[in-house]
Amino acid sequence: SAVISQKPSRDICQRGTSLTIQCQVDSQVTMMFWYRQQPGQSLTLIATANQGSEATYESGFVIDKFPISRPNLTFSTLTVSNMSPEDSSIYLCSYGDYQETQYFGPGTRLLVL
Amino acid sequence: GENVEQHPSTLSVQEGDSAVIKCTYSDSASNYFPWYKQELGKRPQLIIDIRSNVGEKKDQRIAVTLNKTAKHFSLHITETQPEDSAVYFCAAIGAGSYQLTFGKGTKLSVIP
Repeated sequence: SAVISQKPSRDICQRGTSLTIQCQVDSQVTMMFWYRQQPGQSLTLIATANQGSEATYESGFVIDKFPISRPNLTFSTLTVSNMSPEDSSIYLCSYGDYQETQYFGPGTRLLVL
Repeated sequence: GENVEQHPSTLSVQEGDSAVIKCTYSDSASNYFPWYKQELGKRPQLIIDIRSNVGEKKDQRIAVTLNKTAKHFSLHITETQPEDSAVYFCAAIGAGSYQLTFGKGTKLSVIP
């Protein structure tokens, strides 16, 4: 499987600010996804990052709050905008291979004060 | 959309015993069922998966079974070891979709 990395690994932010999380895969992949994992909870899909077109968002997540970019087949960013303490969470990116298997990045731990 | 239920939420076993975690899914068209292990502070790691055309799959001490009629699948860990302690998540992907729907997770504790 390809190597997937995320930056930053963790951050502490003030409410009202925005944070952009980067996800890099070391080979071209078709599918990239962004998940949120709240403390002690399961993973919830935020959106599918589509290369060359707008991301596809799941119910409860909107582009204004979580803008996503996918400029090429190895890279994606997720921005958490106008943050509040409720946005404190782990944000994970993943990629999918042709067999539907998904592999996860190490995650970004976000704390909003 | 797909809904995945997972039981139990916590499970404690003695080292050397077996552990079984069960999941049910709602979409009869779902065709891919992975299991992930997440250790504290780490990313979810795929440990085994099964497709709808297979009833059982084994990998050393880990096995997964699938009952399509009943729409449930289970993870079996034999001869448990302390390093098996983690949170385990089941998931499902519907036909024609690449989106994983996760269960709520099972915290497995293996007591030495």
